[in-house]
Amino acid sequence: GNSVTQMEGPVTLSEEAFLTINCTYTATGYPSLFWYVQYPGEGLQLLLKATKADDKGSNKGFEATYRKETTSFHLEKGSVQVSDSAVYFCALMLGTYKYIFGTGTRLKVLA
Amino acid sequence: DAGVIQSPRHEVTEMGQEVTLRCKPISGHDYLFWYRQTMMRGLELLIYFNNNVPIDDSGMPEDRFSAKMPNASFSTLKIQPSEPRDSAVYFCASSSDRGEKLFFGSGTQLSVL
Repeated sequence: GNSVTQMEGPVTLSEEAFLTINCTYTATGYPSLFWYVQYPGEGLQLLLKATKADDKGSNKGFEATYRKETTSFHLEKGSVQVSDSAVYFCALMLGTYKYIFGTGTRLKVLA
Repeated sequence: DAGVIQSPRHEVTEMGQEVTLRCKPISGHDYLFWYRQTMMRGLELLIYFNNNVPIDDSGMPEDRFSAKMPNASFSTLKIQPSEPRDSAVYFCASSSDRGEKLFFGSGTQLSVL
């Protein structure tokens, strides 16, 4: 079946540290891949997406590259800020508007 | 644009009571989704509508749950009777048929005592 696996959290970093949150997927077919972010008390917001292999999604300093050979879509940021503290969800969609979300990874950035 | 609007933000009720959650999607969006978020199960799709018609309700946990979309600007998710295991955050999201981006509301935190 289709699934998304994310690294367990919480991830705790100091401000300006490098961030990687791992995400791998299993899918029958060629999914679109997404990262969503959830700030405390709010709904999820789309952070970035990639729709085909080797595409790189980027937004607000975050990047992720669609790697078909490793079925991965790892999220990276070169220098995190306290305001990046949130829960990050990796997700896939296979043409039916039926998203499959990972379990989320909580990021805590300390000043 | 006001975004997806959900009400109430918080609901505390007793076991056995009926609970109704409400959602107003973004104007012009053709798709509406109801999700449930818990620590144990993460984010689960309950049901989604296209042009007010339920398309996939396979995620609805049992007959106690029902959802309606009487028009393009309003949807409800009803739980009757409610049980403590229904305690969760319920999100509504909408999307246009031209893209893949979901717009989420702020959620309803439901506590069933």
